Amino acid sequence: DQQVKQNSPSLSVQEGRISILNCDYTNSMFDYFLWYKKYPAEGPTFLISISSIKDKNEDGRFTVFLNKSAKHLSLHIVPSQPGDSAVYFCAASTGTASKLTFGTGTRLQVTL
Amino acid sequence: ETGVTQTPRHLVMGMTNKKSLKCEQHLGHNAMYWYKQSAKKPLELMFVYNFKEQTENNSVPSRFSPECPNSSHLFLHLHTLQPEDSALYLCASSQEPYNSPLHFGNGTRLTVT
Repeated sequence: DQQVKQNSPSLSVQEGRISILNCDYTNSMFDYFLWYKKYPAEGPTFLISISSIKDKNEDGRFTVFLNKSAKHLSLHIVPSQPGDSAVYFCAASTGTASKLTFGTGTRLQVTL
Repeated sequence: ETGVTQTPRHLVMGMTNKKSLKCEQHLGHNAMYWYKQSAKKPLELMFVYNFKEQTENNSVPSRFSPECPNSSHLFLHLHTLQPEDSALYLCASSQEPYNSPLHFGNGTRLTVT
């Protein structure tokens, strides 16, 4: 049973527009959420995180929103750039990195 | 060298071979991990080492044998693997017990023939 779900396997967005990647989770004990970005032939790199005591965290062009009642997480990228084209993984944990549960990823393609 | 380094980047092995994957972290972290990434599946946690002690073994078959000689190095010894073990094997490190993000290496692409 997948506790972290990314229901869109792929997303295509025009350069300059907003990219919205979504993630749903089922375990209400999750209290720390992260987004990772992965380019081909490289390992995932940490992008942004949010703790369950917040509902929004911003870092430059990247904003993560957390809706605890809906058990839903989203990553907004504004404006999208071609270099943002990658696979994005959502992950959640119950307190430590050793308990991270990952989603299956969403492949974002930013077109010119 | 900085970050998390994995060698080799690619490995092809037969089902009767024995090989090892190596991981080294230069971040001063105290926890190291092995993850498996198969096509269209989430990253699966295999093993966790905290201060060189194994704290997690996610029901991984015994044909995978981890070794953590110190907090900077992690190995995954492989023997009598199956073709379905072909995957990307990722090493990661973090500073525990804080909620710090995992830092991943670039992985070893393993093909079992």
